[in-house]
Parts: sequence; structure tokens; C-alpha cells
Amino acid sequence: GENVEQHPSTLSVQEGDSAVIKCTYSDSASNYFPWYKQELGKGPQLIIDIRSNVGEKKDQRIAVTLNKTAKHFSLHITETQPEDSAVYFCAPNSGYSTLTFGKGTMLLVSP
Amino acid sequence: GAVVSQHPSRVICKSGTSVKIECRSLDFQATTMFWYRQFPKQSLMLMATSNEGSKATYEQGVEKDKFLINHASLTLSTLTVTSAHPEDSSFYICSARGTGARNYGYTFGSGTRLTVV
Repeated sequence: GENVEQHPSTLSVQEGDSAVIKCTYSDSASNYFPWYKQELGKGPQLIIDIRSNVGEKKDQRIAVTLNKTAKHFSLHITETQPEDSAVYFCAPNSGYSTLTFGKGTMLLVSP
Repeated sequence: GAVVSQHPSRVICKSGTSVKIECRSLDFQATTMFWYRQFPKQSLMLMATSNEGSKATYEQGVEKDKFLINHASLTLSTLTVTSAHPEDSSFYICSARGTGARNYGYTFGSGTRLTVV
């Protein structure tokens, strides 16, 4: 099965700084790479995803970069805001397989 | 689009009783539904996968007689925690997957906080 590692486990930044979270996976068949945001007491919400035929994708302040050769992909958040504070999970998979979540990264953005 | 409604959001029950959690896809047909369990400060752990009209497939270590899953329609799946005990207290989250959606259809419910006293 998929072995997923996510780093760092916690990340504290000042408002306006950038944040980067990295996800490493083991299954070379993985071709879908999503990032989820989970706020306290809520279910995960998809914030950005990327397919294996694309190296980078951006949506306003959020971007995801993929290095398939090295089997890792990263979440980039620029101009962080306090409302970005949450736990972020990666869940690489091969499309219709079940999701294997990373252990999560707690992001704290201080005003 | 792609909204999943999960109820209740919170439930407190006495030890030995059963609790039912509902997961509904509101605007799409969920061919597959997933149930997860999440302990504080931990990741989501898959409990079982269910396809409409079929028996659920449980992950290793998950007691199928304790966690009853029913997926009788394309819009509704239920998880029943039978004879609940304090160690069953956790955050339960469902996810529904349709077909053709941009994110392969993985949409999550808002979760249910179960406390067994």
C-alpha cells in the first residue's frame, strides 16, 4: 500500500509569511495528489489538487508542485492569514483507489 | 456542487447503547462511500468502504459486527456503532465518491463527534 510522510508536523508563521508543506509518497502508480484543509471539529475540505501530468498548479494564494521522479509534492501558501490556521493533509492516490492520508501538518498563523 | 451532509454533528450516548450516523450526498449520486475515524491530533483512519447495494469492506482491525454500515441507496449511507463503549468515543467522518467529478468525487461530510459516557 501507499506509504505517506508529511513534513513538518507543525508550522508556525507570522501573518503575511509563506508556508510550505511537503508530502512524500511511495507508490509510483499514484497519479492524483490532493491537499485537504481541516478546521477544528470539521471534516476535511479539498483546497487544491494536481494530476500527474502537471508539474505545478496555482489558485490565488495556494499552489501545489509535484516532483513525480522524486515522489513528492508540496503545498505552498503565500501571504498567509490567520484564517489559514488549520491542519493540512495530503492524500496521494491512483485516482479511484482509497485515500491514504498523511499524518497532517498543523499550521498556525499568528497576527 | 458535490455536497455531503452528515448527521448528527455531535452525539452523547450511554455505554451499551447504539448510535446511528447518517451520511447523505445532496447533489450527486455516491457510488462509493467511505467511513473514517479520527482521534484527537491524529490523521484520518479508514474504517470501511461501501458500494451501493453491496456489503461494506472493512479495514483490518475494524469489527464489522460493531460498526454496521448500510449503503442502501446512491445518496445515503449509515454507520451504526453498536453497544458503544467509552473507547468508541471519537470523531467519525464520512466521504462520498461519485463519478466524473473533478476531484475524483471525494467529498467529505462535516463529521460526527461521538462521546460515550
